[in-house]
Amino acid sequence: AQSVSQHNHHVILSEAASLELGCNYSYGGTVNLFWYVQYPGQHLQLLLKYFSGDPLVKGIKGFEAEFIKSKFSFNLRKPSVQWSDTAEYFCAVINTGRRALTFGSGTRLQVQP
Amino acid sequence: ETGVTQSPTHLIKTRGQQVTLRCSSQSGHNTVSWYQQALGQGPQFIFQYYREEENGRGNFPPRFSGLQFPNYSSELNVNALELDDSALYLCASSLAGSSGYTFGSGTRLTVV
Repeated sequence: AQSVSQHNHHVILSEAASLELGCNYSYGGTVNLFWYVQYPGQHLQLLLKYFSGDPLVKGIKGFEAEFIKSKFSFNLRKPSVQWSDTAEYFCAVINTGRRALTFGSGTRLQVQP
Repeated sequence: ETGVTQSPTHLIKTRGQQVTLRCSSQSGHNTVSWYQQALGQGPQFIFQYYREEENGRGNFPPRFSGLQFPNYSSELNVNALELDDSALYLCASSLAGSSGYTFGSGTRLTVV
């Protein structure tokens, strides 16, 4: 069975600091990878996704992620966070044979002004 | 383009009762998935419906059941509610064969 691990459960940063959130998945086949963000009281929104091609993926709001197949990783990065980035971030994977997203347990990001 | 709408937004039920949650898919989407998000956890896949039939299920007991209607809207039914069923229930719609999911804001279910 596939699984997703997010190593950081709660991250606190000051504005303008750089962000990197770790995500590792366990599945040996072809996967599609996602990062979702959940702002307080709002629905899950897609930040970015990787299906194939360039392993460095750029998403909305200045976020990017790098797929490293040999490490089964898909880490999320942002060079300079803003207070408005305070939210919960979820990494998710779907393999091409299944119909369901498998989510990590999430990382709560708190950005202090 | 309309998004995914879920109703109700909040619900309180007593242990042993039954509950029905509703979801309207995004326009153009024909597949609906339901997820359970317990406090402090990531969403867990319950099941998916396509062409009014269940075509994928996660590790949830049979008292979790669903329906999909011809207009692609969907219901999630939970019988014999347990305290551990307290969670945010998310509906996501997509187009069959794609991996583009649109999530609703969820229904917060509290079982007391």
